[in-house]
Amino acid sequence: ILNVEQSPQSLHVQEGDSTNFTCSFPSSNFYALHWYRWETAKSPEALFVMTLNGDEKKKGRISATLNTKEGYSYLYIKGSQPEDSATYLCASGTYKYIFGTGTRLKVLA
Amino acid sequence: NAGVTQTPKFRVLKTGQSMTLLCAQDMNHEYMYWYRQDPGMGLRLIHYSVGEGTTAKGEVPDGYNVSRLKKQNFLLGLESAAPSQTSVYFCASSYSTDRLRNTIYFGEGSWLTVV
Repeated sequence: ILNVEQSPQSLHVQEGDSTNFTCSFPSSNFYALHWYRWETAKSPEALFVMTLNGDEKKKGRISATLNTKEGYSYLYIKGSQPEDSATYLCASGTYKYIFGTGTRLKVLA
Repeated sequence: NAGVTQTPKFRVLKTGQSMTLLCAQDMNHEYMYWYRQDPGMGLRLIHYSVGEGTTAKGEVPDGYNVSRLKKQNFLLGLESAAPSQTSVYFCASSYSTDRLRNTIYFGEGSWLTVV
């Protein structure tokens, strides 16, 4: 069983601030790393699928990087907005993905 | 676009009762999963299936059974519900082992309370 860890568990930022959080995963036998955005009372939605060391993905103000050799990925949000408030999950594995416990982001207006 | 549909959305059970959660996907996905989500624990894999007629245990399979008789459906059964099974259950599916296409699509969740 993989051990996927995310930090911090939660954070509050002011509107307009940029922020980032971390996903750590076992680097051996790496296959893929997923990021999901999970709003309260909804289902998780995919943000990025990352597979190559050094990969960088971007979607609007959100971007992610991947380091498979050291086993971590960063998610960045530039100029946070209240609608970015959600839990951000990462998952690693093959088809049997193991999820981290998430980083709960609250953006204050 | 229906995607992944779970029924029922909410259910209250008495200890010892049985029930089945139904998951249906219309994306022709090979892989299907059942996760449970508990406070502070994240999503934990209960059972999964890599194709019609196949099932396998995940991280927390005890107390649950599953069946995948049709490709589009994945059923999760609780034979004798216990209060520890109070949770939010998420069904999910994914397309293939192609790493770049293996995004997981989730249903909207089923809230189960066992009293």
